[in-house]
Amino acid sequence: GQNIDQPTEMTATEGAIVQINCTYQTSGFNGLFWYQQHAGEAPTFLSYNVLDGLEEKGRFSSFLSRSKGYSYLLLKELQMKDSASYLCAVRGMHASGGSYIPTFGRGTSLIVHP
Amino acid sequence: DTGVSQNPRHKITKRGQNVTFRCDPISEHNRLYWYRQTLGQGPEFLTYFQNEAQLEKSRLLSDRFSAERPKGSFSTLEIQRTEQGDSAMYLCASSRGTGNQPQHFGDGTRLSIL
Repeated sequence: GQNIDQPTEMTATEGAIVQINCTYQTSGFNGLFWYQQHAGEAPTFLSYNVLDGLEEKGRFSSFLSRSKGYSYLLLKELQMKDSASYLCAVRGMHASGGSYIPTFGRGTSLIVHP
Repeated sequence: DTGVSQNPRHKITKRGQNVTFRCDPISEHNRLYWYRQTLGQGPEFLTYFQNEAQLEKSRLLSDRFSAERPKGSFSTLEIQRTEQGDSAMYLCASSRGTGNQPQHFGDGTRLSIL
């Protein structure tokens, strides 16, 4: 099975940088996704990592270390609109059928204050 | 690309009733997923289709839950004899057939059991 751990809540100041960590244990790792979810809305895709290293996309970057079972999402130049839940999802092998299924962590609620 | 469409958006029903939700994925996406999400938690995997074939089903899913995707396009999720614990947001997601493609989520159906 899969086990994904993220901090429950983080706070940061507008304009600052924040790093949201995700650790995981999984069978048959095949990629890690980060999603953003505003309250009452659907999750939206932010980034994907399958190889070790850093992927940068504008203000958002994501890092992966497969040997450590560790990823982080880095948000730079924080804006008030970045206040949301950030979900780490790991594609691991599902126990019953052998398909790779994204399994989500509980999400990290980020509060950005002025 | 009109996005993933789910209906109804909200469903209120009495305990013991049956409910059915519909999901229309993005037209060229052959993978379809159902998740359930409660407040403060990440999406919890329920079931997965590749085209019309249901390839995975969560072991946590009771036999009151059933899903279909008859022609490999839209999907339905039915819950029979609803219980209080079924109250949640039911999310549908679709993706293309290759592993690194992100999931696109619908806005969900919020189920409330009275």
